[in-house]
Order: sequence, then structure tokens, then C-alpha cells
Amino acid sequence: EAGVVQSPRYKIIEKKQPVAFWCNPISGHNTLYWYLQNLGQGPELLIRYENEEAVDDSQLPKDRFSAERLKGVDSTLKIQPAELGDSAVYLCASSGGIEDTQYFGPGTRLTVL
Amino acid sequence: AQSVSQHNHHVILSEAASLELGCNYSYGGTVNLFWYVQYPGQHLQLLLKYFSGDPLVKGIKGFEAEFIKSKFSFNLRKPSVQWSDTAEYFCAVPSGTYKYIFGTGTRLKVLA
Repeated sequence: EAGVVQSPRYKIIEKKQPVAFWCNPISGHNTLYWYLQNLGQGPELLIRYENEEAVDDSQLPKDRFSAERLKGVDSTLKIQPAELGDSAVYLCASSGGIEDTQYFGPGTRLTVL
Repeated sequence: AQSVSQHNHHVILSEAASLELGCNYSYGGTVNLFWYVQYPGQHLQLLLKYFSGDPLVKGIKGFEAEFIKSKFSFNLRKPSVQWSDTAEYFCAVPSGTYKYIFGTGTRLKVLA
């Protein structure tokens, strides 16, 4: 069974540029999460989807971050414009239900110069 | 706000030593508790989880964790570590209904 797929794995951009991350969850998983992980810290939830509905986006900085999950499968997380402080690893995870185990992708390491 | 605390940030052990990593949380409701592990160069994966029943749960690779409700703790243990256990370990606990927060992680290094 294929795991959670994320792309790109690495991204280097200059500040004020836009960037987008893509996630394909495990087939059949209705719940999808985007996390941000800073060096030396645990993952911090940005947004959670149940199918195509964003049910928890309280931690998403909505002035520059946006996300979508069209058709309730793939998801895209966008930052526009990126700031130096956005340098981090962006993780996507999926689960079969909101109380189920989360399966993580490899993450996208973003560096903003 | 709900919180989670992993007290040990860095742990260095020799092979065959015993391991215990602490995880304490503040959420007072029904708890589903998790330990995740991230091996070098790999992504986060589930080590073990507690949903209900026996408070002593066993996971992969000889790890176990004990849920002590009165202490709001879910400590991870392994009687004898191996070099291959070198990794970063995260506990995840509820912060509300269907919401989880992750600890800051414990980086374990096992010396061969």
C-alpha cells in the first residue's frame, strides 16, 4: 500500500515569493492534516480536513497561508508571500478517522532566503 | 490551553541499557495517546497507541508504554535498547475533541 506522498521534498525560495506544497493521502483516508515542524520541535497542526471540508484551521495564518482539498483527496498548501520565518518542514498526514492513527508523509523542507 | 510535556530532550544510552521517556499532558477528557518515532532520514511513524483497556500497551520493536490516568502520564519504555533505536520520539496527546498536540520530542542516541 502506498503511503502519504508529498512533493516537492525540498524547496528553496526567496522571501516574498509564493510557494505551494502538494499532498496525496493514503487511499480511502478521509482525514488529512497539514503540520508545520520547526527544528527541535514537534509537529504543529495548521489545518485538518474531513473529506473536502476544513474542520479545524484555527492555527493557519490566513493572511498568507491557504489550503484546499478539492474532491476530498489531494491537498495543496500555499504560502504567499513567504517570509524568512516560514522556513520549516511542512508535513502532511492522513488517517482513516479522526481518532485513528495518523500516517505521515516525508515532508517538504522549505528554506526561505 | 492544553499542554504536553516531554521532559527529556536529549538522551544518550549505551546498548542494552533500559529506556524510559516521560510524557505528561493536561487534558482531562477521554484520551487517545500516541508515541511516534522518526528514524534518521525517515518520516514519522507510529510506535504505539492507547485508546482504551489495558493501560500497558505494547508497540513495535519491543517498546511499551503505560498510561497512568492519575498522573496524566504516558511514559515510553524499553528494557534493552539497540543502536537501531537511535531516533527522535514524539508523544501525541489530546488537546480537545478530535484535536491532538505533539510534544517537542526526545532525541535518543544509542551508543554501540
